[in-house]
Amino acid sequence: DAGVIQSPRHEVTEMGQEVTLRCKPISGHNSLFWYRQTMMRGLELLIYFNNNVPIDDSGMPEDRFSAKMPNASFSTLKIQPSEPRDSAVYFCASRPGLAGDYEQYFGPGTRLTVT
Amino acid sequence: GDSVTQMEGPVTLSEEAFLTINCTYTATGYPSLFWYVQYPGEGLQLLLKATKADDKGSNKGFEATYRKETTSFHLEKGSVQVSDSAVYFCALSDQGSGYSTLTFGKGTMLLVSP
Repeated sequence: DAGVIQSPRHEVTEMGQEVTLRCKPISGHNSLFWYRQTMMRGLELLIYFNNNVPIDDSGMPEDRFSAKMPNASFSTLKIQPSEPRDSAVYFCASRPGLAGDYEQYFGPGTRLTVT
Repeated sequence: GDSVTQMEGPVTLSEEAFLTINCTYTATGYPSLFWYVQYPGEGLQLLLKATKADDKGSNKGFEATYRKETTSFHLEKGSVQVSDSAVYFCALSDQGSGYSTLTFGKGTMLLVSP
């Protein structure tokens, strides 16, 4: 079975450009999470969805960040405009639901470099 | 709020050495506890978990016991292998408002040499 799929795996862009990261969760999983990983801050939860509805976006660092989940099989995280301090690895994770202790399944991540 | 504190790395060991990675937590309720592992260039994957006090999670030779009295969930392995080199994350689940999210520690890098 395919796991969580993220694209692109690597993205290099210039400051001020728009960046869109994509995620396809595991089929049948109702909950989706976006994380950011940096050396300084570790792993931060940015936003999570349940049944395509954003539940908590309090981790989104600024208004430059936005996330959508138009259907059960696709989500995007957009940064506009991008800045060098946005450079990080962005992970998407999914799980069957939000209640209980289901395991979160992580994608391979997108390494973003903003120059 | 909830938090997880892990020992800083890197932890450097020779093959077949004993491993301990310390993890303590702060939580208002009764969280479940997890260890995730991240191999180079990959996402995190669940290594083991424990859902209540005194439970022991185990997988691939790794073990951790949920100690409520010391709010700890230390990861141990009796004999590490080079292939265990990775970053290990301790995490707890927060079930506030009925939703379960994970709070992660900062991760501990393990380097095992032959």
